[in-house]
Amino acid sequence: DAGVTQSPTHLIKTRGQQVTLRCSPKSGHDTVSWYQQALGQGPQFIFQYYEEEERQRGNFPDRFSGHQFPNYSSELNVNALLLGDSALYLCASAPGRRHTEAFFGQGTRLTVV
Amino acid sequence: DAKTTQPPSMDCAEGRAANLPCNHSTISGNEYVYWYRQIHSQGPQYIIHGLKNNETNEMASLIITEDRKSSTLILPHATLRDTAVYYCIVRYMNYGGSQGNLIFGKGTKLSVKP
Repeated sequence: DAGVTQSPTHLIKTRGQQVTLRCSPKSGHDTVSWYQQALGQGPQFIFQYYEEEERQRGNFPDRFSGHQFPNYSSELNVNALLLGDSALYLCASAPGRRHTEAFFGQGTRLTVV
Repeated sequence: DAKTTQPPSMDCAEGRAANLPCNHSTISGNEYVYWYRQIHSQGPQYIIHGLKNNETNEMASLIITEDRKSSTLILPHATLRDTAVYYCIVRYMNYGGSQGNLIFGKGTKLSVKP
């Protein structure tokens, strides 16, 4: 059983560009959350998708948007990239209606130059 | 903001028990205590969680005080591979649908030394 998979693993973009990151949840999981982790900091919650809708959102600007597909996979889109968006972006999945652990992927390392 | 307070760093000798403390004095009745760890440049790994009773699994034990204002994660026989940042998180229950998100603090950097 594959766990949470994210693609790509590394990415370099130029300031002002747009980027799309992808996440496939663990089998049987229907809730996907995205986190941003800057160097030396703990992960910060961006938003969560469940039943193809954004259910919760952290303190991130509208440049950060997402989508969840019927197969529960998800995308994170960031527009008008800033140097400060350079970070490790983590995806976590969980079964929506049971209070249990969330499983994290290995992340996408985004560098904005 | 994170609702937990942890020491920034701790050392432990290999083979000894590592006891990682966490304060969560404002925890509410519908919030669980979760522990995750993150080895350098990897995604966080779930360790254990609990509500009010002590919990044990193959990785660790979680001791929660009776008033639930603090807890301790115990790694019974620490190895070099347990060197990581350990995060203590309080997370609310949501029976109606999607789960509560995880609010990470800065965690405790545990260094296991030979």
